[in-house]
Amino acid sequence: GNSVTQMEGPVTLSEEAFLTINCTYTATGYPSLFWYVQYPGEGLQLLLKATKADDKGSNKGFEATYRKETTSFHLEKGSVQVSDSAVYFCALRIYSGAGSYQLTFGKGTKLSVIP
Amino acid sequence: NAGVTQTPKFQVLKTGQSMTLQCAQDMNHNSMYWYRQDPGMGLRLIYYSASEGTTDKGEVPNGYNVSRLNKREFSLRLESAAPSQTSVYFCASSTNRDRGPVARPAETQYFGPGTRLLVL
Repeated sequence: GNSVTQMEGPVTLSEEAFLTINCTYTATGYPSLFWYVQYPGEGLQLLLKATKADDKGSNKGFEATYRKETTSFHLEKGSVQVSDSAVYFCALRIYSGAGSYQLTFGKGTKLSVIP
Repeated sequence: NAGVTQTPKFQVLKTGQSMTLQCAQDMNHNSMYWYRQDPGMGLRLIYYSASEGTTDKGEVPNGYNVSRLNKREFSLRLESAAPSQTSVYFCASSTNRDRGPVARPAETQYFGPGTRLLVL
């Protein structure tokens, strides 16, 4: 089956530190990959996505590259801010034919950035 | 343009009670979804509706029913609530993309703010 594994949190960083949140996936086809972010008390928001191998998604200083050879989609940011404190979810989506599809989320990684 | 709205924001139920969670979107999206979020479990899909008039089971449909009332609204019903259904429920929507004879949901989903449900 399809699954997403992301590093367990919580992750605590100082402001301006480098961030990496690892995400690997298992899929039977060719999934699209996503990072969603959930700020406290809110719903999920799409942060970035990549739809095919070697694509790089980027937004708000965050980046992730779709690596088919390592089945990974690690999230990175060069210099985090306090406002980046949130829960980050890696997700995959695969079309399974006949109008149906599968959506799978990782368990989420909580990031806390301290001044 | 409010996006995806959910009501209520918070609800407490006793075991065995029923209730309906409401979701509406004003983005003219074809597809709508219900997820539940539990600590350490991420989000799990309960039901989805690829278009008005259709619904399909997701990963964890047991104990729930859904109704796609019209294009805008997608409700989730708990007929007899159980403590295991204590969770945060999120509704989401997305557009459809046409590819071949079957239209399928686009990839980006837009989420509502969530409903926090406590079943005692």
